[in-house]
Amino acid sequence: EAGVAQSPRYKIIEKRQSVAFWCNPISGHATLYWYQQILGQGPKLLIQFQNNGVVDDSQLPKDRFSAERLKGVDSTLKIQPAKLEDSAVYLCASSFPGSGGYEQYFGPGTRLTVT
Amino acid sequence: DQQVKQNSPSLSVQEGRISILNCDYTNSMFDYFLWYKKYPAEGPTFLISISSIKDKNEDGRFTVFLNKSAKHLSLHIVPSQPGDSAVYFCAASARGATNKLIFGTGTLLAVQP
Repeated sequence: EAGVAQSPRYKIIEKRQSVAFWCNPISGHATLYWYQQILGQGPKLLIQFQNNGVVDDSQLPKDRFSAERLKGVDSTLKIQPAKLEDSAVYLCASSFPGSGGYEQYFGPGTRLTVT
Repeated sequence: DQQVKQNSPSLSVQEGRISILNCDYTNSMFDYFLWYKKYPAEGPTFLISISSIKDKNEDGRFTVFLNKSAKHLSLHIVPSQPGDSAVYFCAASARGATNKLIFGTGTLLAVQP
């Protein structure tokens, strides 16, 4: 079974530029999550999708971050404009409803550096 | 407000000995707890979980203990192996529509050969 795929793996941009990350979840997983992991901290949930609907985006900085999940499969996370404090690893995860949604399977992440 | 706390940033143990990683939580609504392992440049990998209706769950070399009254859980690895060297994250969830996970800050385990 293929795991969660993410691209790019690394990205370096200057502040005020825009950037987009892509995620393809495990086939059949209806729930998709985007996390931000700052160095030295645990992952923090940014947004959660159930199929193509948003379940929780309470910690998403909506003035600069946006995410979509068209057709309930792939998802993109965008930052525009980026700030220095956005430097982090952005993790995508997915889960199958039958497991209760607790066990989430993570992709390798995208390491973003904002200079 | 850190609802899930891992107070030991790092732990070093000898190969073959027991590793004990600790986690404390503050939210009494949490009813499901998980441990994830993370290698450098990889995403976290699910390791083991426990429901609040249990106080112990075992899977091979890994055992998780839950003490609800103390709001404390621990992960025991016996025997520890060099391949276990990684960052371990504790996570917790409260039953509800979102099954949102709250992660601790992680503990770096180094198993010395």
